[in-house]
Amino acid sequence: QQQVKQSPQSLIVQKGGISIINCAYENTAFDYFPWYQQFPGKGPALLIAIRPDVSEKKEGRFTISFNKSAKQFSLHIMDSQPGDSATYFCAARGTGKLIFGQGTTLQVKP
Amino acid sequence: DTEVTQTPKHLVMGMTNKKSLKCEQHMGHRAMYWYKQKAKKPPELMFVYSYEKLSINESVPSRFSPECPNSSLLNLHLHALQPEDSALYLCASSRRDVGNQPQHFGDGTRLSIL
Repeated sequence: QQQVKQSPQSLIVQKGGISIINCAYENTAFDYFPWYQQFPGKGPALLIAIRPDVSEKKEGRFTISFNKSAKQFSLHIMDSQPGDSATYFCAARGTGKLIFGQGTTLQVKP
Repeated sequence: DTEVTQTPKHLVMGMTNKKSLKCEQHMGHRAMYWYKQKAKKPPELMFVYSYEKLSINESVPSRFSPECPNSSLLNLHLHALQPEDSALYLCASSRRDVGNQPQHFGDGTRLSIL
């Protein structure tokens, strides 16, 4: 119930391509869904977040799509760049804490 | 540069040592968090402080002792740690611990137990 399942575990995309990372959850009480980006040796940095009453949110090249009925949400990175190579974590907030997905390692090839 | 500052960046200690990790934020946030992160894994919540009071302890062993002396400062006191405690320890803060309040992370302390 408290899990957030994230896929794929790793992803390789060519420069300029679209990167897509998916997450699924079970607990309908989750009320906030952020995505974090983490570079080696750094802490996670908030990338973009969405509430369950919104179906899509876009910030620059990053878009969250949210499907409440399917209990799924995804991150789309348009025009992927080598500088986007990092680990991405989806998360869901419930009962005062964030539940993280297992992470996706993204490599963008030049 | 992050707005949550953690010191030290690296720490090596023996199993009998006592040391402390420090976290500081000056964003006026009233919720602060400690996480543990192993390599290639997501952060795992350890403790949550809300208005300087401990609100969540995720059944963390007593060899980890958190302290929140004021609204800007969070400490994690370490004693008699085990080799499996080697990890990246992350601090985070948010305006409140309820609602859609984003958590801001520091860059962590890389802890190695000999």
